[in-house]
This record gives sequence, C-alpha cells and structure tokens, in this order.
Amino acid sequence: ILNVEQSPQSLHVQEGDSTNFTCSFPSSNFYALHWYRWETAKSPEALFVMTLNGDEKKKGRISATLNTKEGYSYLYIKGSQPEDSATYLCAPTGAQKLVFGQGTRLTINP
Amino acid sequence: GAGVSQSPSNKVTEKGKDVELRCDPISGHTALYWYRQSLGQGLEFLIYFQGNSAPDKSGLPSDRFSAERTGGSVSTLTIQRTQQEDSAVYLCASSFRARDTNSPLHFGNGTRLTVT
Repeated sequence: ILNVEQSPQSLHVQEGDSTNFTCSFPSSNFYALHWYRWETAKSPEALFVMTLNGDEKKKGRISATLNTKEGYSYLYIKGSQPEDSATYLCAPTGAQKLVFGQGTRLTINP
Repeated sequence: GAGVSQSPSNKVTEKGKDVELRCDPISGHTALYWYRQSLGQGLEFLIYFQGNSAPDKSGLPSDRFSAERTGGSVSTLTIQRTQQEDSAVYLCASSFRARDTNSPLHFGNGTRLTVT
C-alpha cells in the first residue's frame, strides 16, 4: 500500500498571490504521479501525469515538478484566482492502482 | 465524446437493503476504478478492473461489497445489507489501460448514497 501525504491539508490564499503545496510518496516502486483538481459539486479532473525524475509540467498558471528519487512533487499556482478554489489531489501509481492522498483544500479569498 | 456515466446520481435506501450502483466507462477504456468519499474523508480506493478481471480487490471494506464488470464495459458495484457507514459518494473512473502509466483517470459525477 502506498503512503501518500499531502501538505498542507488546507490553505487560504489572497487573490493574486502565488502558492504551492506538496505531495510526498514512497520513492520505491514508482511508476507515475497524477495530480487532480476537485471542485465542489464536480468530479475530479486530471491536471498532470508525470513519470520522469526532474519532470516539470505546466498548464496555464499551474505547474508541477517531480522528484522521484526523494519521493515528492510540488504543485504551484501563480497569481491565484477565485476559480482555483478546489481540493488538489495527488496519486502515485504503485503496481497498477492509483492511491490518492487526502488532498490540499485551497480557498482563494477575493 | 461521452464521458463516464454513473447511475443513479442519488440513492436513498433503508438500512439492511441491497443497492446496485452502475458505471458506464468511456468507450475503449479498459481500466475501470471504484472509489468512495465518506463525509470529511479523502478518496478511498475500493477496486479496479482491467478488462473484466479485478486484480486488486483489497479496498473493498467488507464481504457485503462486490463488483463485477461484463463485456469489458459496464460495471456494477453491489452493496448488500447496507449500513449507515456505507453512506458516501461513490465515484467511478476509467482510463485507457491500467498499465499505461500516462493514462489519466476520467471520473464520473458519482452516486451519492444515503443509508437511513
């Protein structure tokens, strides 16, 4: 079973500020790391799938980095907007299944 | 194209009754996953299918829970003799294939189950 830790559990950020949060996972038996955004009353939506150590992916104002050797990934949001308010989930794949972390609940204050 | 479809969207049932939750994945997706989110909790893995086989059933909470998938497509999650602690949102997701580490999951809108 993969132990996935996300920190912080919740975060309040002022609109326009940038922020980041962490996903930690066991570095052994690593296949890929997924990030999802889950807005209230919607279903989770895939942001990134990352596989290579040192990988960096970007989607608009959101980017993510991956360190498979030490077992962590960072998600960055630049210039936060109210629509960024959501729970951000990471999920490393072990053998085949995805095990999700508890998520970071992000609230953007206007 | 069509996304992952789950039905019903809401289900209220009395304690002790059986319920069936249905998931219709994206056409061509061979991997199918069931998760649930209880109140205040994160996403809890239940079971996944690759084709019609379920290589990992480790997340099923008890023997009251079972799932099947037929024709490599539709899956049903059955909960027998429901208990109040079964109340949760049950999410289904599909992906191109489980061993394809680059395949993201596509989630349905979930079934909100309330056991009274």
